[in-house]
Amino acid sequence: NAGVTQTPKFQVLKTGQSMTLQCAQDMNHNSMYWYRQDPGMGLRLIYYSASEGTTDKGEVPNGYNVSRLNKREFSLRLESAAPSQTSVYFCASSEAQGNQPQHFGDGTRLSIL
Amino acid sequence: GQQLNQSPQSMFIQEGEDVSMNCTSSSIFNTWLWYKQEPGEGPVLLIALYKAGELTSNGRLTAQFGITRKDSFLNISASIPSDVGIYFCAGRYPNTGNQFYFGTGTSLTVIP
Repeated sequence: NAGVTQTPKFQVLKTGQSMTLQCAQDMNHNSMYWYRQDPGMGLRLIYYSASEGTTDKGEVPNGYNVSRLNKREFSLRLESAAPSQTSVYFCASSEAQGNQPQHFGDGTRLSIL
Repeated sequence: GQQLNQSPQSMFIQEGEDVSMNCTSSSIFNTWLWYKQEPGEGPVLLIALYKAGELTSNGRLTAQFGITRKDSFLNISASIPSDVGIYFCAGRYPNTGNQFYFGTGTSLTVIP
């Protein structure tokens, strides 16, 4: 019973490099989310997908793109990484009454030099 | 963006004591959530509240949706060492889909 799985767990990039953070859930949930967590701040929503085939911007979408590949998978892409994108990234899924993020992955710790 | 003020920022308490923390927003929310996060892990949803005045319990945890719809409270009774972690509130405006805003967290330390 894996829940929400994020890969990789850690990554170091150079400024300008690109990469894709992967997220998969095995609970057949419709809604999926990407958040970033920075020291001293709450989680901030980057993008979310209310259902397969749809995506919407959150509070801090600039510099990111997402793909809802299928119902299980929701990826986050940094096309040209910047030091300001150094953060811990969390993926979450939901099938709750209010569609609140229910199940979070353990995060990807991303450092951009 | 939305301003969520969570207090206190940190708490150091003796095992067995009760804990109270709260969260206030600058606007009305239609959903309040409380999460707990432990080091190296993602947040875990503890309690979800959907209407003003609602009081919901989850074991030793009790949370309330404030009457003004701009605040929420989380109480932990008879704290134990495994309650250690960071507690986050989160809320959602009406008619904003799945956009939830998070507070900055209350760090709880329980001294055995």
